[in-house]
Amino acid sequence: GAVVSQHPSRVICKSGTSVKIECRSLDFQATTMFWYRQFPKKSLMLMATSNEGSKATYEQGVEKDKFLINHASLTLSTLTVTSAHPEDSSFYICSARALAGGKHEQYFGPGTRLTVT
Amino acid sequence: KQEVTQIPAALSVPEGENLVLNCSFTDSAIYNLQWFRQDPGKGLTSLLLIQSSQREQTSGRLNASLDKSSGRSTLYIAASQPGDSATYLCAVDLYNTDKLIFGTGTRLQVFP
Repeated sequence: GAVVSQHPSRVICKSGTSVKIECRSLDFQATTMFWYRQFPKKSLMLMATSNEGSKATYEQGVEKDKFLINHASLTLSTLTVTSAHPEDSSFYICSARALAGGKHEQYFGPGTRLTVT
Repeated sequence: KQEVTQIPAALSVPEGENLVLNCSFTDSAIYNLQWFRQDPGKGLTSLLLIQSSQREQTSGRLNASLDKSSGRSTLYIAASQPGDSATYLCAVDLYNTDKLIFGTGTRLQVFP
């Protein structure tokens, strides 16, 4: 099956610093990737849709200047949390959309646990 | 606005029981519906995907049904095992939006 990786799996940073999270589709090309955020014991909330070669589309309430998304190639999207604050601490999950057998499916990465101290 | 709700929020059962997890959505204009499993602190594993034109999908001990007109899907787990303990999420893929809207999840614990 399709595999999506994320790096790092865990990161701890100090307030005010920036953190970059990578999302890679390992064995397929993904023109569209998605970034989700998950608070403890809550469901996933879509933050933005990342399109290769164009600007990301952000969901309402998500600050695009704070959560910078770059989809530089068909296998890599990055999320940079700029000037991180403790309230940005969360579990960030990416997914990549693939067409398989005539069906669109999303394949999810293992997630990145961000802790801002 | 599409809203996806899952009940129950939590479930604790002895192994061997057959289980039904429920998912309801408010807008029937969906492209497909997926059921996922999430282990604590981990990403998502796709279990079953049902296209809008389908009524059910089966994989091993899992069976998912879809009733678009009533905005409901159920995940049936037969002969539950402790290894089934996880959070189960349903998500709907809306037509022409490329977005997955996730449900609130059901935390399942199966004890020996």
